[in-house]
Amino acid sequence: EAGVAQSPRYKIIEKRQSVAFWCNPISGHATLYWYQQILGQGPKLLIQFQNNGVVDDSQLPKDRFSAERLKGVDSTLKIQPAKLEDSAVYLCASSLVGTGNEQYFGPGTRLTVT
Amino acid sequence: SQQGEEDPQALSIQEGENATMNCSYKTSINNLQWYRQNSGRGLVHLILIRSNEREKHSGRLRVTLDTSKKSSSLLITASRAADTASYFCATLSGGGNKLTFGTGTQLKVEL
Repeated sequence: EAGVAQSPRYKIIEKRQSVAFWCNPISGHATLYWYQQILGQGPKLLIQFQNNGVVDDSQLPKDRFSAERLKGVDSTLKIQPAKLEDSAVYLCASSLVGTGNEQYFGPGTRLTVT
Repeated sequence: SQQGEEDPQALSIQEGENATMNCSYKTSINNLQWYRQNSGRGLVHLILIRSNEREKHSGRLRVTLDTSKKSSSLLITASRAADTASYFCATLSGGGNKLTFGTGTQLKVEL
């Protein structure tokens, strides 16, 4: 089966610019997650969707980050405006039901903010 | 915030040796999962152990869970160079079903 797809793989922007990431989960996976992984740390959950509804966005900096999952399939994560501390790898993952099951991760997007 | 703390932060062993890494967490959990991350394959799920289980095996992997001590260990037997990666524990807890990752152990297996 095809894995979780993400694009772009790399992105370099200047601070105060905006950027968007795209994720296509594994077919049939109702739950989709966005994580932020700063170098040397474990992934941190930003937002969790169940179909097209938000389950948890408690750690999403809502003043600059937004995410949507239209039609319960693909998802986009946007940062506007970006800050230097947003430099990280943004990982998308999906799972069949909730987070009791294992999560399948995409290759990630490495963002560098200069 | 990170729930799990892995120990050691870094581990270097020779091929064929066993590698043990530990994870401690703070709150009660529903299950605990171990993931591996390397540049070639990204973040991959290895094994899941539920809160009512004490030990689980999968191939060369052995995971133990001690809920009284809020700790888990991952043992990789007969390590190979291809096992070189970062290993993370992740805990599932609370009604919100949030998976929280630890800080990771960097394992290097040398030929």
